[in-house]
Amino acid sequence: EVQLVESGGGLVQPGRSLKLSCLASGFTFSNYGMNWIRQAPGKGLEWVASISSSSSYIYYADTVKGRFTISRDNAKNTLYLQMTSLRSEDTALYYCARVRTTGHYFDYWGQGVMVTVSS
Amino acid sequence: DTVLTQSPALAVSPGERVTISCKASESVSTRMHWYQQKPGQQPKLLIYKASNLASGVPARFSGSGSGTDFTLTIDPVEADDTATYFCQQSWNGPPWTFGGGTKLELK
Repeated sequence: EVQLVESGGGLVQPGRSLKLSCLASGFTFSNYGMNWIRQAPGKGLEWVASISSSSSYIYYADTVKGRFTISRDNAKNTLYLQMTSLRSEDTALYYCARVRTTGHYFDYWGQGVMVTVSS
Repeated sequence: DTVLTQSPALAVSPGERVTISCKASESVSTRMHWYQQKPGQQPKLLIYKASNLASGVPARFSGSGSGTDFTLTIDPVEADDTATYFCQQSWNGPPWTFGGGTKLELK
């Protein structure tokens, strides 16, 4: 069974940093691209960042470019999102999601981890 | 960026047929995908590449369309289908964009 479990969220002050993790199991992690997608409270879905299976291709939404860094450790089956210079508008539930590269759609999602940016 | 437009909400009775639309600001070929999100849960893939049913999804769900106009159909609707439905395009990206979501309520 495919499982994606996010962790590392919490309350953080504006301008500070936070690192999210997503532990994958039930599939060969190193064979799949992974993404972070977020959802502000009561709002829709926003794609944040994408990383290919071997980390060769990395993309970011303009809203986070230069502040967030996506990475992965295939030996640990773990995806990361390092977030710096956090802003109130980064407050959201952050999901990690597995991507099917044949069509770049997201076939499995974690349960999400909440990040609240507030003073 | 490709903007996807969905109607905000729909209300239908159990047993009826419902169509949820998604209109793209530019062609996305057939690279349109649909997700269901129930309250308090993560999104779940329903349809990929416009018309392909994801694994384990009931055949009551179907998708159609190409270019800029896409439709998710549920027939017949059941009470458990109460959820928000999102479309997502992957033809023009990054960024890979989502629609604003259509909240489906059962009467």
